Amino acid sequence: EIVLTQSPGTLSLSPGERATLSCRASQSVSSSYLAWYQQKPGQAPRLLIYGASSRATGIPDRFSGSGSGTDFTLTISRLEPEDFAVYYCQQYGSSPPVRLTFGGGTKVEIK
Amino acid sequence: QVQLVQSGAEVKKPGSSVKVSCKASGGTFSSYAISWVRQAPGQGLEWMGGIIPIFGTANYAQKFQGRVTITADESTSTAYMELSSLRSEDTAVYYCARSHYYDSSGPIGYWGQGTLVTVSS
Repeated sequence: EIVLTQSPGTLSLSPGERATLSCRASQSVSSSYLAWYQQKPGQAPRLLIYGASSRATGIPDRFSGSGSGTDFTLTISRLEPEDFAVYYCQQYGSSPPVRLTFGGGTKVEIK
Repeated sequence: QVQLVQSGAEVKKPGSSVKVSCKASGGTFSSYAISWVRQAPGQGLEWMGGIIPIFGTANYAQKFQGRVTITADESTSTAYMELSSLRSEDTAVYYCARSHYYDSSGPIGYWGQGTLVTVSS
């Protein structure tokens, strides 16, 4: 079973700054099957990035994903006030069977 | 537009079971993976298991094996998650979620609104 470790646990930044979030897998992950989500309090997660680097529909281009193998990164080029939230990486695979793994999350908070 | 509508909040006693439903509308129900994901208060997202309705066989996270049952009814486009032997640590919001692509477990393109299950004596 693949384990995803996200770092840092909390990132304290100011609006306009660049955010770099890391997701490390315990074994190699196909780049086709790595996603990132944003979650705000009281809301369901929202898909940001899939296939490691493809932005989901309607996601601003300040969000970008990169990486391969066991190391993946979500970058927010310039933080907007609405970007302060918790971010999760996720590994998935072809189906069947259905199988997902989430990282523990990184909270991006206002400094 | 795909929508997933879940059943309402539940309060359960320790040792009992809970069954949460997730009714899908829009799109094709049978061919897409439906997962159940839970989130304890202040904690992260935890995948419990999933099913592709047309295949009918569910797959579960090791942590929940033997305690969770996921089913789907194609005739009503509804998925179900039943969790037994409830304990206080099972207090969480439970989400159903549908994959964006039909031949993949993810990414998750659609989420239900979440169902709060509270386990308390």
